Amino acid sequence: NAGVTQTPKFRILKIGQSMTLQCTQDMNHNYMYWYRQDPGMGLKLIYYSVGAGITDKGEVPNGYNVSRSTTEDFPLRLELAAPSQTSVYFCASSLQGTSYEQYFGPGTRLTVT
Amino acid sequence: GNSVTQMEGPVTLSEEAFLTINCTYTATGYPSLFWYVQYPGEGLQLLLKATKADDKGSNKGFEATYRKETTSFHLEKGSVQVSDSAVYFCALITQGGSEKLVFGKGTKLTVNP
Repeated sequence: NAGVTQTPKFRILKIGQSMTLQCTQDMNHNYMYWYRQDPGMGLKLIYYSVGAGITDKGEVPNGYNVSRSTTEDFPLRLELAAPSQTSVYFCASSLQGTSYEQYFGPGTRLTVT
Repeated sequence: GNSVTQMEGPVTLSEEAFLTINCTYTATGYPSLFWYVQYPGEGLQLLLKATKADDKGSNKGFEATYRKETTSFHLEKGSVQVSDSAVYFCALITQGGSEKLVFGKGTKLTVNP
C-alpha cells in the first residue's frame, strides 16, 4: 500500500526556472493538500482540493499553482522560482467525514539559488 | 482566527525521563485536536487525537487530554526512548469547516541514551 507518494525527493532550481512537484495517493481520498515547511515555522497550507476539479487557496498561495484533474493526483506548479520558495514541500490527503486524519507524503526538499 | 501555540524547543531528555510538551489553542467553534510526529527525513504521521472535551488520546505510550476550560492539549509520556526523538506538532481542525488543519510550530525532542 503506497499511500501518498511525492516526486522528486530533492531538487535544486535556479531563480526564474519552473517546475512541477508531483503528488499521488492511492487511498481514494477526496481531500488533498500542499504544505510548505520552513525551519522553526511549522507547516503552512499552500493550496488544497476537496475533489477532482476543485481547488482553493490556503494561507500562502502566491507563486504557486495547482490542478486536480483526477482523484489520485494533485501536482504543485512553481512558475518563476524565487529564493523565498526554498523549503520542504509536503503533500497530504484525507477522507472527508472520518477522523480528519491527514496522511502525508515523504516530502520534496527544494532549493532555489 | 484559529491558532496553536506550542512550547519552544528543542527539548533534550535522557532515556526513561518524563516528557511534557505544552500545547494551547485558540479556535472559533469546537475543534478536534491532534498530535502529529515527524521522524527525521520523513513526513508527518498522526500520533493521537481527541475530538471532544475531556477525551484522552493515546498511542505508543503518549497521552494527551482535551481540556476545554484551559484550551490545552498537552502531550505526555512517562518514559521516553531514544526512538521517540522527533519533531512533534500540535494541530487543530474546526468542525464544519473546510477541513484545514492549523499546526503549531513544532517541538523538536532529542532523547539521549
